[in-house]
Amino acid sequence: SQTIHQWPATLVQPVGSPLSLECTVEGTSNPNLYWYRQAAGRGLQLLFYSVGIGQISSEVPQNLSASRPQDRQFILSSKKLLLSDSGFYLCAWGTGRTEAFFGQGTRLTVV
Amino acid sequence: AQSVSQHNHHVILSEAASLELGCNYSYGGTVNLFWYVQYPGQHLQLLLKYFSGDPLVKGIKGFEAEFIKSKFSFNLRKPSVQWSDTAEYFCAVTDGNNNDMRFGAGTRLTVKP
Repeated sequence: SQTIHQWPATLVQPVGSPLSLECTVEGTSNPNLYWYRQAAGRGLQLLFYSVGIGQISSEVPQNLSASRPQDRQFILSSKKLLLSDSGFYLCAWGTGRTEAFFGQGTRLTVV
Repeated sequence: AQSVSQHNHHVILSEAASLELGCNYSYGGTVNLFWYVQYPGQHLQLLLKYFSGDPLVKGIKGFEAEFIKSKFSFNLRKPSVQWSDTAEYFCAVTDGNNNDMRFGAGTRLTVKP
């Protein structure tokens, strides 16, 4: 069966520090991968999605970037965090015929 | 850009009342449609999904949704809500390949016992 791993679950980082959140999927090949940010009253904001290795579509211009170095690995990064980057980040995977399956999420607090 | 709109931000109902939550989208081509639920303190859970076929989709826990292509809508319904349905509900839409899955802002449902 397919599983998705996202870590860390919580993270507290100082302003200006770098960020790296990792997400890996097991049990499937060539999945679509997504990074979302969930904020109260705003639903899930699509940040990035990827349909293949090295293919990244960015939806919102911001302080974040994403990379897909391997088929089942999706990384969310920042060179210098801002206070406004605080939030709940969700990784998800799906295929052309399934819904999205979500990781456990990362609560990021920038201080 | 594609977008998903959920017009009801907070809905308050009494138990046994009927529920309808609106969802509209702006995709022009083939779409896949989803409703997710998030109970307090829990993660997102799929309620139902539509890919093709019968536009009236039945999901878990007595929920159903109807895809009306001409209205770009996929409204969620339940004939009789329960206190345990208190949660936040999210509509999601993708293109036909699930390449670009976008969510609405969510509707918070409060059911009074």
